[in-house]
Amino acid sequence: GENVEQHPSTLSVQEGDSAVIKCTYSDSASNYFPWYKQELGKGPQLIIDIRSNVGEKKDQRIAVTLNKTAKHFSLHITETQPEDSAVYFCAASTGAQKLVFGQGTRLTINP
Amino acid sequence: GAGVSQTPSNKVTEKGKYVELRCDPISGHTALYWYRQSLGQGPEFLIYFQGTGAADDSGLPNDRFFAVRPEGSVSTLKIQRTERGDSAVYLCASSPGEGLAEAETQYFGPGTRLLVL
Repeated sequence: GENVEQHPSTLSVQEGDSAVIKCTYSDSASNYFPWYKQELGKGPQLIIDIRSNVGEKKDQRIAVTLNKTAKHFSLHITETQPEDSAVYFCAASTGAQKLVFGQGTRLTINP
Repeated sequence: GAGVSQTPSNKVTEKGKYVELRCDPISGHTALYWYRQSLGQGPEFLIYFQGTGAADDSGLPNDRFFAVRPEGSVSTLKIQRTERGDSAVYLCASSPGEGLAEAETQYFGPGTRLLVL
């Protein structure tokens, strides 16, 4: 079955700097890759997703890139703000099926 | 519109008891998913419904766990003879379902925090 690895497990950056989180997946049939942000005591919130027919997607300060050949995808957050501090999860799936999640990255933005 | 809702938000029970966790999906979403999240881990898949039927229950850990969705909307996750290891956050998600635009986009509820003493 699918296996998703996520790095780093913790990331600390200065406010205004960029943050990058990377994930690799094992199943070449996976074609949908969402990213979720989870704040303490809350459910995961979808922040951006990408489908396998595109290589990059951007939404304001957030972007995701996908390399199908290498089977990895990354989340890029620019101009980080204190409210970006949270745990971020990547995931992979084959269409409208179960999501397989990475282990999570705890992002801390230092003022 | 309203998002996915889950009740109760917290549940404390004793080892060996039976519990039911409820999920109300986004209106019109035909697909519903249950996940379990242990402390410091990513969510792990339990079961997926497309309409009223369980399309994939491969994530249920054992036969103490069971879920239903009798009318294709609300779902109940049932845990019999609870064990301390069942303590976790149980998350529900819904998506528009197969054949629809952005069918695979899953929206999560706030979760039910289950503590088995």
